[in-house]
Amino acid sequence: DSGVTQTPKHLITATGQRVTLRCSPRSGDLSVYWYQQSLDQGLQFLIQYYNGEERAKGNILERFSAQQFPDLHSELNLSSLELGDSALYFCASSIEGFMNTEAFFGQGTRLTVV
Amino acid sequence: AQSVAQPEDQVNVAEGNPLTVKCTYSVSGNPYLFWYVQYPNRGLQFLLKYITGDNLVKGSYGFEAEFNKSQTSFHLKKPSALVSDSALYFCAVRDSLNYGGSQGNLIFGKGTKLSVKP
Repeated sequence: DSGVTQTPKHLITATGQRVTLRCSPRSGDLSVYWYQQSLDQGLQFLIQYYNGEERAKGNILERFSAQQFPDLHSELNLSSLELGDSALYFCASSIEGFMNTEAFFGQGTRLTVV
Repeated sequence: AQSVAQPEDQVNVAEGNPLTVKCTYSVSGNPYLFWYVQYPNRGLQFLLKYITGDNLVKGSYGFEAEFNKSQTSFHLKKPSALVSDSALYFCAVRDSLNYGGSQGNLIFGKGTKLSVKP
């Protein structure tokens, strides 16, 4: 158990809909990262938050947004969903400020858009 | 740009034989390198990391990795493979370019599927 909790584990929704994925980082970790894993694109970095503020952006679509709350949990919002958004979405957390620290990953949310 | 490459999509080994999963990297500045393993329908689990110091890094489950600066490689190794080692392995590097050298996100290779046969 990595200590990172993601809910829900599975999500099936229709095209055009909006969903919210939730992540609770490990206790004490201030940084949260979101990744998308798909068969054709591999693991793609989406966005990073540190202590409530956006820190870095990767290949995140404009239809997607995220935030980190004062209690440090994070939510990833996916809207106007398309079939191609079907993927495994991972959240990871780490202690901020140290390049040499590893990130710990949650079990992921498998999103299926039908 | 920072990047890692895993040249093999799949590696097949027999149980008990040594295994190597290859990774090469391209970074500006000091490399911070990591190996993760992903079992089916599971999240990524940290195996080991190279920050500085000894070129041979020991990690979880009997895995080790050899850092080679001249060849810009960070290959994952295990002396004796187990069937339970069968999984997807990812090499990753920290992106130090986002904000002046402090912690950045992890940039992953495409992954190598390791298959260990009895």
